[in-house]
Amino acid sequence: QSALTQPASVSGSPGQSITISCTGTSSDVGGYNLVSWYQQHPGKAPKLMIHEGSKRPSAVSNRFSGSKSGNTASLTISGLQAEDEADYYCCSYAGSSTLVFGGGTKLTVL
Amino acid sequence: EVQVLESGGGLVQPGGSLRLSCAASGFTFSSYAMSWVRQAPGKGLEWVSGISGSGGSTYYADSVKGRFTMSRDNSKNTVYLQMNSLRAEDTAVYYCGKGVGYYYYYGMDVWGQGTTVTVSS
Repeated sequence: QSALTQPASVSGSPGQSITISCTGTSSDVGGYNLVSWYQQHPGKAPKLMIHEGSKRPSAVSNRFSGSKSGNTASLTISGLQAEDEADYYCCSYAGSSTLVFGGGTKLTVL
Repeated sequence: EVQVLESGGGLVQPGGSLRLSCAASGFTFSSYAMSWVRQAPGKGLEWVSGISGSGGSTYYADSVKGRFTMSRDNSKNTVYLQMNSLRAEDTAVYYCGKGVGYYYYYGMDVWGQGTTVTVSS
């Protein structure tokens, strides 16, 4: 159950688009369409942004989208806003009835 | 309103036990999987355990297998995490999460505020 690999930090200016990558293996990210993404503001509980690879909960802005290519999943945020500044975590089914999270990415809005 | 609320955290000595509870409301509890996820101080999220809607199937991370037991009482809309043989590395905020659907691996769409477990002598 090795953690998925995410960049430690990404940044962008308001209005820009950014992409956060989440790299795993064929045993987790690449093997299933079961990646979810979570946003976490300091001192707060995580919030689901994307599930099952690309499905967005109704309350989540359509500026957030998810995709996958091979063993790498991606979260794209378009039209970056100040309130998007937070930590983001990917999570994938990893076989053997387990889930594995990425190490997290700190998004800074410049 | 759909919500979950954790309780039961506290300070416990290494080797000790603690039981966490997560009370749910606002949805048909037995139709949804539930999970526990923890976050050590200053660290990332770690999935701990999951349980099916019926409670008939439970799943654990290798780091807690054999020490932690997850269960649910659908008559009380509550899930539990029994933690035994606690270690310093179990110190974390423990979150309860409602599954997107019947299977825990689809994602967790409702989270509680967390309960803090500190393992220290």
